[in-house]
Amino acid sequence: DAGITQSPRHKVTETGTPVTLRCHQTENHRYMYWYRQDPGHGLRLIHYSYGVKDTDKGEVSDGYSVSRSKTEDFLLTLESATSSQTSVYFCAISLNRLEGETQYFGPGTRLLVL
Amino acid sequence: TQLLEQSPQFLSIQEGENLTVYCNSSSVFSSLQWYRQEPGEGPVLLVTVVTGGEVKKLKRLTFQFGDARKDSSLHITAAQPGDTGLYLCAGARSGAGSYQLTFGKGTKLSVIP
Repeated sequence: DAGITQSPRHKVTETGTPVTLRCHQTENHRYMYWYRQDPGHGLRLIHYSYGVKDTDKGEVSDGYSVSRSKTEDFLLTLESATSSQTSVYFCAISLNRLEGETQYFGPGTRLLVL
Repeated sequence: TQLLEQSPQFLSIQEGENLTVYCNSSSVFSSLQWYRQEPGEGPVLLVTVVTGGEVKKLKRLTFQFGDARKDSSLHITAAQPGDTGLYLCAGARSGAGSYQLTFGKGTKLSVIP
């Protein structure tokens, strides 16, 4: 258990509204990631962070922004939600290990955009 | 671009049977991870393999990393209903100060009692 929580766990919203998802970790890990998981596409990286205020884009970053003002929190914002952003969103952290980069995942947030 | 191809996508077998899931790529990875995911939950790490040719065993699960570090396999012996789930492979590549994982689309395994 890497001490990762996500909130909310479920959300229904309407097209055009802003949505913020929160990822919280308790173990001071440097690297944090946001993924979305969709049928037929698997897990795809949206954004990641390698420190406070240090973030970078992933494979599917359009329509998303992130912020990390504290080590423990990584926020994902959909500025104006669209139906194509209906998905399950996972936060992950990584541990610095000699055996490669292993990531640990939170429980996920199910987002439905109507 | 799908860098990691997993096969098969779906697998339904009887309890006690053996099975193998494959993860293939044309890219070289510094390491490869296998995860299992159950409905409504996040992926849970099973194993990380780092060295080409490496074999790791986790009870009835055997993981192998290809010699060229481009492919991997997961073999389950005498499958149990508790093995049911989505199995994901993920390859790690370094860049921009952090490793990034590229995931396969997964193999959905159903083990029928």
